[in-house]
Amino acid sequence: EAGVAQSPRYKIIEKRQSVAFWCNPISGHATLYWYQQILGQGPKLLIQFQNNGVVDDSQLPKDRFSAERLKGVDSTLKIQPAKLEDSAVYLCASSFHSSRAGNEQFFGPGTRLTVL
Amino acid sequence: AQTVTQSQPEMSVQEAETVTLSCTYDTSESDYYLFWYKQPPSRQMILVIRQEAYKQQNATENRFSVNFQKAAKSFSLKISDSQLGDAAMYFCAYRSVFGEGTQLTVNP
Repeated sequence: EAGVAQSPRYKIIEKRQSVAFWCNPISGHATLYWYQQILGQGPKLLIQFQNNGVVDDSQLPKDRFSAERLKGVDSTLKIQPAKLEDSAVYLCASSFHSSRAGNEQFFGPGTRLTVL
Repeated sequence: AQTVTQSQPEMSVQEAETVTLSCTYDTSESDYYLFWYKQPPSRQMILVIRQEAYKQQNATENRFSVNFQKAAKSFSLKISDSQLGDAAMYFCAYRSVFGEGTQLTVNP
């Protein structure tokens, strides 16, 4: 079974530039999560999708971050414009169904973003 | 609001010894799951063990076990016979809320 795929793995940009991250979840997983993990901290949920609908985006800085999950499969997270404090690892995860609270999340390798 | 707290930023253990990582949480729900995830250096986060709140029995997966105290909202992870490969960041999680993590070092 293929795992959660993310690209790119690394990205370096200047502040005020734009960047986009892509995630392909495990086949059949209805729920997709994007997390921000700052070095030395735990992951912080940015947005959660159930199929192609948003379940929780309460911690997404909507003035600069956006995300979509077209057709309920792949997802893209965008930052525009980036700030220095956006430097972090962006993790994508998927689970079979979020209504089953016991479903584990499967994580991708992450995208390490450095904003200069 | 749901919160998860890990009060031990770093822990170390000798190979073959036992170590316990602590976690407390807060929720108003009565039925829920708790998770421990492991994040090895430069590798993907993976599930270590999960516990359903309604189950009295503590979960066990090989060398990993939990001590779940529902009334105290405590959920600790015990690693027995520690191995060098256990060195990693360990995160306690409730739904999509993660603790700050505990960095575990295993000394040979």
